[in-house]
Amino acid sequence: EAQVTQNPRYLITVTGKKLTVTCSQNMNHEYMSWYRQDPGLGLRQIYYSMNVEVTDKGDVPEGYKVSRKEKRNFPLILESPSPNQTSLYFCASSQGTDQVYNEQFFGPGTRLTVL
Amino acid sequence: AQSVTQLGSHVSVSEGALVLLRCNYSSSVPPYLFWYVQYPNQGLQLLLKYTSAATLVKGINGFEAEFKKSETSFHLTKPSAHMSDAAEYFCAVTLYSSASKIIFGSGTRLSIRP
Repeated sequence: EAQVTQNPRYLITVTGKKLTVTCSQNMNHEYMSWYRQDPGLGLRQIYYSMNVEVTDKGDVPEGYKVSRKEKRNFPLILESPSPNQTSLYFCASSQGTDQVYNEQFFGPGTRLTVL
Repeated sequence: AQSVTQLGSHVSVSEGALVLLRCNYSSSVPPYLFWYVQYPNQGLQLLLKYTSAATLVKGINGFEAEFKKSETSFHLTKPSAHMSDAAEYFCAVTLYSSASKIIFGSGTRLSIRP
């Protein structure tokens, strides 16, 4: 089954404790992206990647890191999480890099709480 | 700068009634516009998109949206609401066909009354 998977789905952690949220897609997609969803703000892009070893900042990259060492994986790293990073996180992927003619497929989301 | 504004964070309609979710865009050039749906505890799913081919766009599950340049709008409609339509809906925009990112609106939660 074609899908985007994220782990963990739920995470409660404490300020400053490094964490990684994994994202994997089995569709051989070129493009991958991370978003955070907050009430009243919709989805905001954190980072995106147009291919292996190619990543770029989205609209809200502060406090986050990403890597794209393999085509299928795009982990999101919080080196020192803070309470303002409490949010619902989505990973997405698409076949091509342009977002008009390539539909993004979203993972199920990771709900992160930083105490 | 490109942006979309969704009017109404929460809309409630009766089952069988018309669904109308409002989206207005702001851009200096003709935009590409999208509607996404998010069912409870799931990721987003593309409902439909406007790519300048036709102003009335039909999507999945009986939804459609009309691009109105004079009103800078791209409202989402469905003639008759079903209970299964209860979800959050996001309007989104980008300006270029080669764009590698799209900008999402703040979302509208649709509730359906029995």
